Amino acid sequence: SQQGEEDPQALSIQEGENATMNCSYKTSINNLQWYRQNSGRGLVHLILIRSNEREKHSGRLRVTLDTSKKSSSLLITASRAADTASYFCASGFQKLVFGTGTRLLVSP
Amino acid sequence: SAVISQKPSRDICQRGTSLTIQCQVDSQVTMMFWYRQQPGQSLTLIATANQGSEATYESGFVIDKFPISRPNLTFSTLTVSNMSPEDSSIYLCSVVTGTGRNTEAFFGQGTRLTVV
Repeated sequence: SQQGEEDPQALSIQEGENATMNCSYKTSINNLQWYRQNSGRGLVHLILIRSNEREKHSGRLRVTLDTSKKSSSLLITASRAADTASYFCASGFQKLVFGTGTRLLVSP
Repeated sequence: SAVISQKPSRDICQRGTSLTIQCQVDSQVTMMFWYRQQPGQSLTLIATANQGSEATYESGFVIDKFPISRPNLTFSTLTVSNMSPEDSSIYLCSVVTGTGRNTEAFFGQGTRLTVV
């Protein structure tokens, strides 16, 4: 399978703590995208990091990319209960290959 | 970016019946993509829908089970045919904008299908 892997599968933290999710992929990429999915609904595009970038920030999100290791990480700082969701990384030019996802639970 | 309207948002269907899911995009796009997300799983690509040609199906998915229409550059439908409980999943359509490293994918809100 070409599916990427994410770890941890599930993460439970308290509000205000940071959450880090890791993603590994299997093929060469143009970019890597991170998505959030609330309660099994549609995917919300969070951030895109290009293959020639190593780090990118967007608000409380920080994404890193290591193409030599075919891995990426998503850091959510100062987490909130509203961040509770599943998070997926995805790679591919047009047809995306998704990671297995991380279920994040942020408790008040 | 792209805004995608997908409907229905959810449905409960009897086994043996078919359901057609619609996806409308606010701009013209060459390709549209249909994904399936089985309960507790990640997303898997079903097929790529091209305007003016047959859809291209991924391994494990066939046209007889998942016929797709693409009548114009802003609209597509996916039909789940002769449904069984194993077809209970979330189905999502997607479009891609940009080129090269700037390619981004956007998704509809998904259709949660339950087959009883």
